[in-house]
Amino acid sequence: AQSVTQPDIHITVSEGASLELRCNYSYGATPYLFWYVQSPGQGLQLLLKYFSGDTLVQGIKGFEAEFKRSQSSFNLRKPSVHWSDAAEYFCAVGPPDSNYQLIWGAGTKLIIKP
Amino acid sequence: NAGVTQTPKFQVLKTGQSMTLQCAQDMNHEYMSWYRQDPGMGLRLIHYSVGAGITDQGEVPNGYNVSRSTTEDFPLRLLSAAPSQTSVYFCASRPQNGKELNTQYFGPGTRLTVL
Repeated sequence: AQSVTQPDIHITVSEGASLELRCNYSYGATPYLFWYVQSPGQGLQLLLKYFSGDTLVQGIKGFEAEFKRSQSSFNLRKPSVHWSDAAEYFCAVGPPDSNYQLIWGAGTKLIIKP
Repeated sequence: NAGVTQTPKFQVLKTGQSMTLQCAQDMNHEYMSWYRQDPGMGLRLIHYSVGAGITDQGEVPNGYNVSRSTTEDFPLRLLSAAPSQTSVYFCASRPQNGKELNTQYFGPGTRLTVL
């Protein structure tokens, strides 16, 4: 069955420290891969996406993610977090066609310690 | 561009009442969808549409109806509200082709409580 796993429900990081949020997926072929961020009380905003090509993708707000086919992973990273990064982060995957429906992970809530 | 707009932002219903959540987009996107978001469950697809006059069910369609009479609007109707429908509802849209194919735009959400 197709699924997306975000193993960490909560992550606490000190401001200025590095961050890695994990995402593993189960899918028959290489899917489209996405990371979205949701600030408290807000809708979701696309951080970055992977379709093909370079497996390290850059996104907005200084985030990047690396697609590792052998590990079925698409982990999100940031070298130095800011208090404004406190939010919930969602990984999603979808089939590589125009009618794709996204499958979503349960989300990881990022807490920033001052 | 206003993007994706949703009304209302908050709503409280009694069990058995009906209501319509409104969603509109001004980006001429073919694809529109409704999700519900519940704690610890991510987003679950309720219904989606790939164009005016075309709708289909998602993962959790029971208790909800949709229609798509125009490209811009995609209302979600709750026929007889139940406490299990207490959730945050998000509408989203994206194009079906072109370089923006892979970017889904979300509305701000509607927080619904059913008593």
